[in-house]
Amino acid sequence: DSGVTQTPKHLITATGQRVTLRCSPRSGDLSVYWYQQSLDQGLQFLIQYYNGEERAKGNILERFSAQQFPDLHSELNLSSLELGDSALYFCATGGSHGELFFGEGSRLTVL
Amino acid sequence: SQQGEEDPQALSIQEGENATMNCSYKTSINNLQWYRQNSGRGLVHLILIRSNEREKHSGRLRVTLDTSKKSSSLLITASRAADTASYFCAPSPNSGNTPLVFGKGTRLSVIA
Repeated sequence: DSGVTQTPKHLITATGQRVTLRCSPRSGDLSVYWYQQSLDQGLQFLIQYYNGEERAKGNILERFSAQQFPDLHSELNLSSLELGDSALYFCATGGSHGELFFGEGSRLTVL
Repeated sequence: SQQGEEDPQALSIQEGENATMNCSYKTSINNLQWYRQNSGRGLVHLILIRSNEREKHSGRLRVTLDTSKKSSSLLITASRAADTASYFCAPSPNSGNTPLVFGKGTRLSVIA
């Protein structure tokens, strides 16, 4: 158990819809990273937050947004969903030496 | 790019054999990390080796690092069926708070 909690574990929705994925980091971890893993693209870094502020941006689409709240949990919002957005979405938090602790992911299926 | 590139893409061995996976990268690093991912699960951090280290052990895992060649290897000794997973390397340019970029990994299958 990494200590990182992600909800929901599974989500099925239709094209054009909007969903929110939630991540609770390990106690004391200030950084939250979001990754997307699909069969064709591999594991892609989306965005990083550190203590409520956006720190780094990766291959995140404009239809996607994220935020980190004062209690350090984070949410990833995906809107105008397309079939190609079907993927596993992981949240990770950072350890003291730069290692990452991953949650079990949220599997999104867009029909 | 700080992304590591794992080789081979796939590896199939018998239980009890050793498995070796390689990683190449292009930038200067502070450390390099290896992760394991069981199918459909989150990545699990296995081991971190610093740029001033050449070899590190953790149980049945042995990691080497050659900064002159910008390469690393992960050796799993006496493999077990439970070692079946994908393995990723992640070069890190500094000691923390920088997003890790992952390659496509090595898919290891250990046959009982």
